[in-house]
Amino acid sequence: DAEITQSPRHKITETGRQVTLACHQTWNHNNMFWYRQDLGHGLRLIHYSYGVQDTNKGEVSDGYSVSRSNTEDLPLTLESAASSQTSVYFCASSEAEGQKLFFGSGTQLSVL
Amino acid sequence: AQSVTQPDIHITVSEGASLELRCNYSYGATPYLFWYVQSPGQGLQLLLKYFSGDTLVQGIKGFEAEFKRSQSSFNLRKPSVHWSDAAEYFCAVGAGGYQKVTFGTGTKLQVIP
Repeated sequence: DAEITQSPRHKITETGRQVTLACHQTWNHNNMFWYRQDLGHGLRLIHYSYGVQDTNKGEVSDGYSVSRSNTEDLPLTLESAASSQTSVYFCASSEAEGQKLFFGSGTQLSVL
Repeated sequence: AQSVTQPDIHITVSEGASLELRCNYSYGATPYLFWYVQSPGQGLQLLLKYFSGDTLVQGIKGFEAEFKRSQSSFNLRKPSVHWSDAAEYFCAVGAGGYQKVTFGTGTKLQVIP
């Protein structure tokens, strides 16, 4: 079955370090998204991509970057981790505009 | 810009009782509306969605939602709650492109025997 997987499930890092969170989907979806989930804020969009070589900023993109070199993967990089980036990160994909999002199981990131 | 409000942070219901989770949105035109459910430690799963047409939408697991334009609401309902429905529920509104999909802050549902 097609799926979307995130790794690692849990990550602890130190302030100032670069961190990369992986997202891999086998749905062959062109559209991929990164969200962060924080108590009291729901899910907020960080970055998204509509296809290979396409990346766009979401509402909370500062301090994050993504790259899309193939259809299956959209890694999220924290250039210099900050304590404010402690959160649960979700990757999602979808087939087309207005269609449902398929979510990964999330990555719990702690920045100490 | 659109926004969505879920006024109830936490709701407790007895197993077998009916359920209604509230969602209000703000958007100038008819938006896309979604309800997602999140079980502990998991990602979100779509329960149902509304784009146009019949304002009463049926979803998975026996859930339904009604779009009421006059009240800017899209409340989620279930006639009889099961213990397995305990989870967090998110309302989301989208309009004109993915970057404009906005999630509410969620309602955590507790089901007691």
